[in-house]
Amino acid sequence: EIVLTQSPGTLSLSPGERATLSCRASQSVHHFLAWYQQTPGQAPRLLIYDASNRAAGVPPRFSGSGSGTDFTLTISSLEPEDFAVYYCQQRSNRYTFGQGTKLEMK
Amino acid sequence: QVKLQESGPGLVKPWETLSLTCGVSGGSITNNYWSWIRQSPGKGLEWIGYIHDSGNTESYYRQSTTYNPSLESRATISVDRSKNQVFLKLTSLSGADTATYFCARLVDAFDVWGQGSMVVVSS
Repeated sequence: EIVLTQSPGTLSLSPGERATLSCRASQSVHHFLAWYQQTPGQAPRLLIYDASNRAAGVPPRFSGSGSGTDFTLTISSLEPEDFAVYYCQQRSNRYTFGQGTKLEMK
Repeated sequence: QVKLQESGPGLVKPWETLSLTCGVSGGSITNNYWSWIRQSPGKGLEWIGYIHDSGNTESYYRQSTTYNPSLESRATISVDRSKNQVFLKLTSLSGADTATYFCARLVDAFDVWGQGSMVVVSS
């Protein structure tokens, strides 16, 4: 099973700041990595697929990069609605998710 | 656009079988991949499996399934094309199966999700 490790566990920032979230895979997943956003009581929402492609309707302040084992989700300028939990997920070998990064307002 | 709605019993006893339904609206079951995913505080998000219905009338080629190896012996995913529904059966339940269960469409990623059905396993 491919294990995805996200860091940091919690990130405290203010609106307007830049957020950088990391996801590391236990073996190469090539570019087959997605990012999701989840707010309390809601289902995850797809943000990025195949490492760097924004899903439909996702604002351009969200961007993804990386390949192989190291990936990054960047939010260029935080809006109040961006404070949530973010998960990465791979589809190179079956499907597994990271444990999540909580983005909280400072 | 495609919308998904899960439904289920809420509370199930240990060792019983869980049956969940996912209603698909705004799109067709056929030629899509449909997954079940669960989320619990202890294990986070866990993919259970997916089904693909090709729409082929020959029963042998109609549907294919793939499961998480950790759940493969207990999980069964099926579809009813006439009702546009996807089903999950999970047998021999224990407290570790307490979770919110989501159905989701799988394209390059899980791009459409239902709101989830919370299941508690308790006597």
